[in-house]
Amino acid sequence: SQQGEEDPQALSIQEGENATMNCSYKTSINNLQWYRQNSGRGLVHLILIRSNEREKHSGRLRVTLDTSKKSSSLLITASRAADTASYFCATDAGNYGQNFVFGPGTRLSVLP
Amino acid sequence: EAGVVQSPRYKIIEKKQPVAFWCNPISGHNTLYWYRQNLGQGPELLIRYENEEAVDDSQLPKDRFSAERLKGVDSTLKIQPAELGDSAVYLCASSPGTSGGGETQYFGPGTRLLVL
Repeated sequence: SQQGEEDPQALSIQEGENATMNCSYKTSINNLQWYRQNSGRGLVHLILIRSNEREKHSGRLRVTLDTSKKSSSLLITASRAADTASYFCATDAGNYGQNFVFGPGTRLSVLP
Repeated sequence: EAGVVQSPRYKIIEKKQPVAFWCNPISGHNTLYWYRQNLGQGPELLIRYENEEAVDDSQLPKDRFSAERLKGVDSTLKIQPAELGDSAVYLCASSPGTSGGGETQYFGPGTRLLVL
């Protein structure tokens, strides 16, 4: 069963614009991670945010976590064509990661 | 530092045939994961090893799938016999410790399986 659900399923923006993707989940979590997957490649870790954190930054990425709403958002600022990829949230809901579950992903297209 | 290595990268087989995938994790990583990713979906965990012990195989279809991680290093995932619905990308990942979901996972490029 899927824990996280990303929204929107697909997003198309112009280079330089900001992109926001959301992730909603159903049960309490220990932490939430965001990953990127370029076409035909493996996943690359972007950010991990723990349940007691509300916001984290990494370069052009900003992740927020609202445990009361069971949701997280990933913001990519000043997007580039190279940001074109699928973005997945993954939630860790169990002890020692037994319930590590990926959502279906948001497919981001950044047009030059 | 070398990343997670998987082979083969692509495999085409006929249904009912066996197939095996191999994964070599990042050196020193204790935890190894096998995922299956269907087209347009997120990865689905099949099995997680901490060293040589399978600590979570609840999503592994045990009638046809098997896995092993001898000596707690590289791992093999096998399907026998393969079915049409097994067509997917099989991803291997590793993480340094044994805290499972609390760690960054490092993914290999995957093996794309097509069952005809």
